[in-house]
Amino acid sequence: ETGVTQSPTHLIKTRGQQVTLRCSSQSGHNTVSWYQQALGQGPQFIFQYYREEENGRGNFPPRFSGLQFPNYSSELNVNALELDDSALYLCASSLRDNPYEQYFGPGTRLTVT
Amino acid sequence: AQTVTQSQPEMSVQEAETVTLSCTYDTSENNYYLFWYKQPPSRQMILVIRQEAYKQQNATENRFSVNFQKAAKSFSLKISDSQLGDTAMYFCAFMRNSGTYKYIFGTGTRLKVLA
Repeated sequence: ETGVTQSPTHLIKTRGQQVTLRCSSQSGHNTVSWYQQALGQGPQFIFQYYREEENGRGNFPPRFSGLQFPNYSSELNVNALELDDSALYLCASSLRDNPYEQYFGPGTRLTVT
Repeated sequence: AQTVTQSQPEMSVQEAETVTLSCTYDTSENNYYLFWYKQPPSRQMILVIRQEAYKQQNATENRFSVNFQKAAKSFSLKISDSQLGDTAMYFCAFMRNSGTYKYIFGTGTRLKVLA
């Protein structure tokens, strides 16, 4: 197992609600990336954070937002949930100087009804 | 834009046999990395093997090896002496060596190792 943890493991929300997912990086890792994995698909890049700043964003609407804290942990916030937001959300942490070794957490399974 | 294609949605192999998973990609970049990740039912993505595009030698990790054909933009994974624990989804991924270091994943191949 990697040292990356995510919470919660599962959650169920209703369309229109807001959700916050959390990721704790592997010790010392200063960069966090978030991915959305729909059922039967490969993960899609949402955004990346480095030193508390967004460092790149994929093709996701502004209702997907994030934060990175001084201890490098991170949050993914999704507002106005839609049914299509149902997916596994993965975070991956790495060192800025070694971006080719990213360690994934176990993911949060979000179901929107 | 880069794309990654895995044309085999599902494959099966007998225990102890060898299996090859296919992956092709499209990019105009010359400097990049390619990866194979394993995702078992536990959902955690596990790095299987990594290839640097500027290295001609194919990467190997124990029972796992790749066949990297840069001109053909092909990156296949060979699993030798397959084990029941190899049963998982396998994703091929691309990462350019500049800008935002993000993975671009294929749609995956579900591999089942049969006893």
